Amino acid sequence: GEDVEQSLFLSVREGDSSVINCTYTDSSSTYLYWYKQEPGAGLQLLTYIFSNMDMKQDQRLTVLLNKKDKHLSLRIADTQTGDSAIYFCASEGGMDTGRRALTFGSGTRLQVQP
Amino acid sequence: DTGVSQNPRHKITKRGQNVTFRCDPISEHNRLYWYRQTLGQGPEFLTYFQNEAQLEKSRLLSDRFSAERPKGSFSTLEIQRTEQGDSAMYLCASSFQMLQTIGYTFGSGTRLTVV
Repeated sequence: GEDVEQSLFLSVREGDSSVINCTYTDSSSTYLYWYKQEPGAGLQLLTYIFSNMDMKQDQRLTVLLNKKDKHLSLRIADTQTGDSAIYFCASEGGMDTGRRALTFGSGTRLQVQP
Repeated sequence: DTGVSQNPRHKITKRGQNVTFRCDPISEHNRLYWYRQTLGQGPEFLTYFQNEAQLEKSRLLSDRFSAERPKGSFSTLEIQRTEQGDSAMYLCASSFQMLQTIGYTFGSGTRLTVV
């Protein structure tokens, strides 16, 4: 089945850039998502990228997609303490799989030190 | 309509009891999904509905689990004869599907503790 892998933990200083990486296996994925989860809360959609794009920028967030290597990254510029949370990468099943659900990674815990 | 609503927020039950959770999606969304999230893991897909039809079920959804969406609006997830391994956060999400779905809105989840 589909699989999504992420590193478990990232620590940065406030004001630095954060880069969270993700790899996925489903080559037919059409959309790839980044979600943020704060303690005790649900998942908040941060951004997404369509598989025919290689970059998407949205304010402080930049998503890079290397479809050949099935590698996705999320860059947060000028990281703030309020960005401390768990970040999940998710792939959406492509038309080939007929799947209409998201496969999530295990999440990357971002710790921002003041 | 302020988003996806899930009730209850927390549920503590004794092993062997049945529990039922409710999800109210965003009103114009025709797709509804159930996910389960255990500590330290990402959400795992359980099942989804398009309108009232249940179109896919994960192998994680054992015979003790049943989900319904009788009128294509709210959905219920029932777990019969709960086991300690069922303890998790149960998340509901909804989306509007045309040719392709863009973006899923998640509720805050129901945290189940089986003692």
